Amino acid sequence: DAGVIQSPRHEVTEMGQEVTLRCKPISGHDYLFWYRQTMMRGLELLIYFNNNVPIDDSGMPEDRFSAKMPNASFSTLKIQPSEPRDSAVYFCASSLWSYEQYFGPGTRLTVT
Amino acid sequence: AQSVTQPDIHITVSEGASLELRCNYSYGATPYLFWYVQSPGQGLQLLLKYFSGDTLVQGIKGFEAEFKRSQSSFNLRKPSVHWSDAAEYFCAVGPPMEYGNKLVFGAGTILRVKS
Repeated sequence: DAGVIQSPRHEVTEMGQEVTLRCKPISGHDYLFWYRQTMMRGLELLIYFNNNVPIDDSGMPEDRFSAKMPNASFSTLKIQPSEPRDSAVYFCASSLWSYEQYFGPGTRLTVT
Repeated sequence: AQSVTQPDIHITVSEGASLELRCNYSYGATPYLFWYVQSPGQGLQLLLKYFSGDTLVQGIKGFEAEFKRSQSSFNLRKPSVHWSDAAEYFCAVGPPMEYGNKLVFGAGTILRVKS
């Protein structure tokens, strides 16, 4: 199994630009999670999906953030417009049930 | 409030020495318990998990963890540390359903290995 795949691995963009992060979960997993990791705040859950349906987006920081899961094998996290404080590592994780999660390698986002 | 605590922010051990990383949780019932490891620039990798049964669980990379109900703890151990074990370790708890169904992570412990 290829594991959770994320792209791009690194993204550098200017403030105000739109950023799209992509995730392919492990085949057969029903749950997909988006996390953000920073030195200051640690690991934060942004949103999670079950069977492609968003279940809890209470961790999404602002309306500038949106996430979609159009099918069982693909999800996106979009930031529009991006700000320097959005700089972080964004992880996607997937699981068969809500707790035993498998993480992707992450996308390191830098907003200048 | 319900929480997961990793009391040690940093730990330094000599290569070949034994290791124990502490994790405590505060939930009334026994939750699901996990340990993850994150090497620099990498994602989190699942080391081991406890759901029920034998309180000593074996994981990958020679790690083990022991669940102690009386102490609400799930400490991670390794008998002999290798330099490649230097990483950050996260304890995670899947709480009983009445507390929600989101995995709760500890703040992490950074392990340094000196030669």
